[in-house]
Amino acid sequence: AQKITQTQPGMFVQEKEAVTLDCTYDTSDQSYGLFWYKQPSSGEMIFLIYQGSYDEQNATEGRYSLNFQKARKSANLVISASQLGDSAMYFCAMRENSGNQFYFGTGTSLTVIP
Amino acid sequence: EAQVTQNPRYLITVTGKKLTVTCSQNMNHEYMSWYRQDPGLGLRQIYYSMNVEVTDKGDVPEGYKVSRKEKRNFPLILESPSPNQTSLYFCASSFSQGGSTDTQYFGPGTRLTVL
Repeated sequence: AQKITQTQPGMFVQEKEAVTLDCTYDTSDQSYGLFWYKQPSSGEMIFLIYQGSYDEQNATEGRYSLNFQKARKSANLVISASQLGDSAMYFCAMRENSGNQFYFGTGTSLTVIP
Repeated sequence: EAQVTQNPRYLITVTGKKLTVTCSQNMNHEYMSWYRQDPGLGLRQIYYSMNVEVTDKGDVPEGYKVSRKEKRNFPLILESPSPNQTSLYFCASSFSQGGSTDTQYFGPGTRLTVL
């Protein structure tokens, strides 16, 4: 079974609107970390936001927030007030504290329309 | 400047010709890792290392070797590259002490083509 599932290969959003990128995960661990990364067309991987499984509040970093629903095993990324520079590939990732591997999803390509 | 460096950035080679992609970090991170990125498959972990002389397989280790003789360096070795190893490769590192310290920082990537 896939550890990380991103079901939206591509998304479009109007500039200044909010957008939600979906991520579900599969683990039997109680302790784990969830991460979102951005990959612009230039190729580098940029860390956006982290959520720990024991964190009771949703993580926020500027315009990025993580909608963490533990019972549903989902960790959706919300980008508010989209900008043209948000057009990129977005990856969800997880590390289980019982192991040392990182698992990435297949990514969502976001296009912001002027 | 804190960074992860990889060399070379681009490499075109032929089947069977041994190559090494270097990776170095200057953040004193314990954890280092190699990934390959292929269209539609996301990033897949090849090997990782928890510290010097400690390495372990990720999801796609076949055809690759690694070593960790020094904390800052983690080279990826392809002893006999094949065309199915054509990919974009990333090195990453982190402190790996749990929680947000597990956040990995990535190198710029190495685009490898095996003819």
